[in-house]
Amino acid sequence: AQSVTQLGSHVSVSEGALVLLRCNYSSSVPPYLFWYVQYPNQGLQLLLKYTTGATLVKGINGFEAEFKKSETSFHLTKPSAHMSDAAEYFCAVSRGNNDMRFGAGTRLTVKP
Amino acid sequence: DVKVTQSSRYLVKRTGEKVFLECVQDMDHENMFWYRQDPGLGLRLIYFSYDVKMKEKGDIPEGYSVSREKKERFSLILESASTNQTSMYLCASSGNRRNSGNTIYFGEGSWLTVV
Repeated sequence: AQSVTQLGSHVSVSEGALVLLRCNYSSSVPPYLFWYVQYPNQGLQLLLKYTTGATLVKGINGFEAEFKKSETSFHLTKPSAHMSDAAEYFCAVSRGNNDMRFGAGTRLTVKP
Repeated sequence: DVKVTQSSRYLVKRTGEKVFLECVQDMDHENMFWYRQDPGLGLRLIYFSYDVKMKEKGDIPEGYSVSREKKERFSLILESASTNQTSMYLCASSGNRRNSGNTIYFGEGSWLTVV
């Protein structure tokens, strides 16, 4: 079975600072990895996903994530935070079937 | 764009009532899901369906049932609502592109309060 751990339920950064949201996974088979974002009172929206190939994945809104098999990690980064990035972010892992598992989420606050 | 529509955004129901949460997707997706979202717990899968009239239990099916009579529609049913079912409910769907990492698309969510 696969699982996801997101380190830090709350992360606060200043506008313009680096955003780093951490995600570690466990999976018995090569995983497919996802980051979703949830804005207040809305559903989840896909930011980016890793399936195969290049380990550095670029997503929407300037976010990217790197799959590191040796570290079983898929951390999400953005070089410069914007106020509009304030949201909750979820990491998820799948084996390519319907069994997708989500982390508990990290709430990102961006200070002016 | 994929659209997953949940019929009710906000509901308030009484303990013991039967509650229906409806979800429709417009992308001809085979798979549909119901999750509940609670602070600190992330998303937990209640039920999913991979075909019409087919359903599978997720991690927390107790107190819930589902119905999928048509491919585009997936209903979540609380037979007798209880206060511990107060939560945000998210419907989602995905296609069946095997071995390619099936992206799950979510609806806007339904906030259910049971009093």
